[in-house]
Amino acid sequence: GQQVMQIPQYQHVQEGEDFTTYCNSSTTLSNIQWYKQRPGGHPVFLIQLVKSGEVKKQKRLTFQFGEAKKNSSLHITATQTTDVGTYFCAGRGGGYQKVTFGTGTKLQVIP
Amino acid sequence: GAGVSQSPSNKVTEKGKDVELRCDPISGHTALYWYRQSLGQGLEFLIYFQGNSAPDKSGLPSDRFSAERTGGSVSTLTIQRTQQEDSAVYLCASSPAGQLLGYTFGSGTRLTVV
Repeated sequence: GQQVMQIPQYQHVQEGEDFTTYCNSSTTLSNIQWYKQRPGGHPVFLIQLVKSGEVKKQKRLTFQFGEAKKNSSLHITATQTTDVGTYFCAGRGGGYQKVTFGTGTKLQVIP
Repeated sequence: GAGVSQSPSNKVTEKGKDVELRCDPISGHTALYWYRQSLGQGLEFLIYFQGNSAPDKSGLPSDRFSAERTGGSVSTLTIQRTQQEDSAVYLCASSPAGQLLGYTFGSGTRLTVV
């Protein structure tokens, strides 16, 4: 079945440093979603990418979907303590298939 | 409602007892999902309902787990003869039909089996 891996598993950064998490699927995806889960909270939808090579930005967050639609990345510029949490990607195959969540990257920001 | 509602928020049960967890999705959302998350771990898929189609039960870990969705709305996840390894947060999510919107998660039910 479809597998979605994320690296790194954990990342500690100093406040103000940049952060990137990478998501890789074993199969081609129709779209990819990103979620953020704050400590003690539930995942919250951030964004969805659909097109090959697509790049979207949300303030300091930049999301990319690979040309082959098998990988994606989330880059945070100048991290803040409010960025702390676990970031999950979630990939979907075609049709009404469910998304498969990645393994997650836990981000810790040191003030 | 405005969001996905789950109840109870916390449940402590004795090993061997049955439990029912409830999920009330956003009105009009045709897709409903159950996930399980152990402490500090990722999201483990359990079951997926999409409209009137047969549910995708491929993630249920054993035959002690079952779920139903009545009238295309409220869903109940039942765990029979609970075991300590069932302790986790059970998350429900819903989404509209189609592929262009993300899931909205509920706050989860924290299940502790003692």
